[in-house]
Amino acid sequence: DGGITQSPKYLFRKEGQNVTLSCEQNLNHDAMYWYRQDPGQGLRLIYYSQIVNDFQKGDIAEGYSVSREKKESFPLTVTSAQKNPTAFYLCASAYGNTIYFGEGSWLTVV
Amino acid sequence: AQSVTQLDSHVSVSEGTPVLLRCNYSSSYSPSLFWYVQHPNKGLQLLLKYTSAATLVKGINGFEAEFKKSETSFHLTKPSAHMSDAAEYFCVVSDSNDMRFGAGTRLTVKP
Repeated sequence: DGGITQSPKYLFRKEGQNVTLSCEQNLNHDAMYWYRQDPGQGLRLIYYSQIVNDFQKGDIAEGYSVSREKKESFPLTVTSAQKNPTAFYLCASAYGNTIYFGEGSWLTVV
Repeated sequence: AQSVTQLDSHVSVSEGTPVLLRCNYSSSYSPSLFWYVQHPNKGLQLLLKYTSAATLVKGINGFEAEFKKSETSFHLTKPSAHMSDAAEYFCVVSDSNDMRFGAGTRLTVKP
């Protein structure tokens, strides 16, 4: 079955550490996105990529980095520069008007 | 650049009364518009979408939305709220391969 897989679902990180969230899709979609959701707030765009080897900053890119070396993969690294990394992270892919979402990853900084 | 504004961060209605969740958008092209619902601790679920066909779109669970180009709006409505409708609702605008989410509207349904 086609879809988007995010891993891990739950992740704990110590302050000062980088952590990478995985997002893989087998839908052959060109566009992929990373969003962040904080309690009581909406989804905010971190980074997006419309094609392999290309990506753009979203509204809250500071403290994050991404790569798009393969069409099916769009990993997000939460760096130590991100001051408030504890949040729910959602990956999505899109082709035309069809959007698919991963199940999300919960990151907690301890 | 496109954007979407959900005009109310929180809406509270009584069970059995109508629901109106407001969404305005900005887009340089003819956009596609979506409404998603997120129940606590669950993923996003598509309620309905507008993709340049009929301007009145019917979705799941009795929800519908009307695309009004002159007002750049895509408000979500339901004639009669159920307790199970309590959730967070997101309006999304998409053109080409770029999509933007609204900040969300939390719907509370009182018995």
